[in-house]
Amino acid sequence: DAGITQSPRYKITETGRQVTLMCHQTWSHSYMFWYRQDLGHGLRLIYYSAAADITDKGEVSDGYVVSRSKTENFPLTLESATRSQTSVYFCASSDSQVNQPQHFGDGTRLSIL
Amino acid sequence: QKEVEQDPGPLSVPEGAIVSLNCTYSNSAFQYFMWYRQYSRKGPELLMYTYSSGNKEDGRFTAQVDKSSKYISLFIRDSQPSDSATYLCAMTHSGGGADGLTFGKGTHLIIQP
Repeated sequence: DAGITQSPRYKITETGRQVTLMCHQTWSHSYMFWYRQDLGHGLRLIYYSAAADITDKGEVSDGYVVSRSKTENFPLTLESATRSQTSVYFCASSDSQVNQPQHFGDGTRLSIL
Repeated sequence: QKEVEQDPGPLSVPEGAIVSLNCTYSNSAFQYFMWYRQYSRKGPELLMYTYSSGNKEDGRFTAQVDKSSKYISLFIRDSQPSDSATYLCAMTHSGGGADGLTFGKGTHLIIQP
């Protein structure tokens, strides 16, 4: 099925480790986004990308790195995980045409011990 | 003051009732307004997408935007138990998908059979 797929769905790791969350979309959308969702904060933007090799920081980008070598993939890396990065991470994408909304994946639930 | 304010609830109503969900915002630059529905352990699902002030209807759902008051609403008619979910309002400056979304914290809605 076409859509947006995130992997893994669940991940447990330890502080200081590097972890990469994957996002893949089959719509050929230009724009892709990473958000985190925390109780009391709602969804907040981490990074976004307008096209392959074009990325920009969002509201809460510290401690995260992204890359976009192919249009369909947008991995998010925590270079040295901290407990404060325990969260649910959502990837989204949208078409480059005007007035196109964002569509979300089902998230990765990340726990950092 | 947060950019987008949304009562987290929970809001509990009997089946068949009309539900009213609301958000207020402070940034007058927001032009595009969305409502997403989120079931437990799933990603946000787009319900309504509107531009500027006015009403938009889609089946049992009606979205209202009042830019002069910086206030948006979602009405659900003939509510069903399957409508039980968290409802997120979101908004952005541009409609082309180029901006990240600014979300409310979400309202947890319970429809009692």
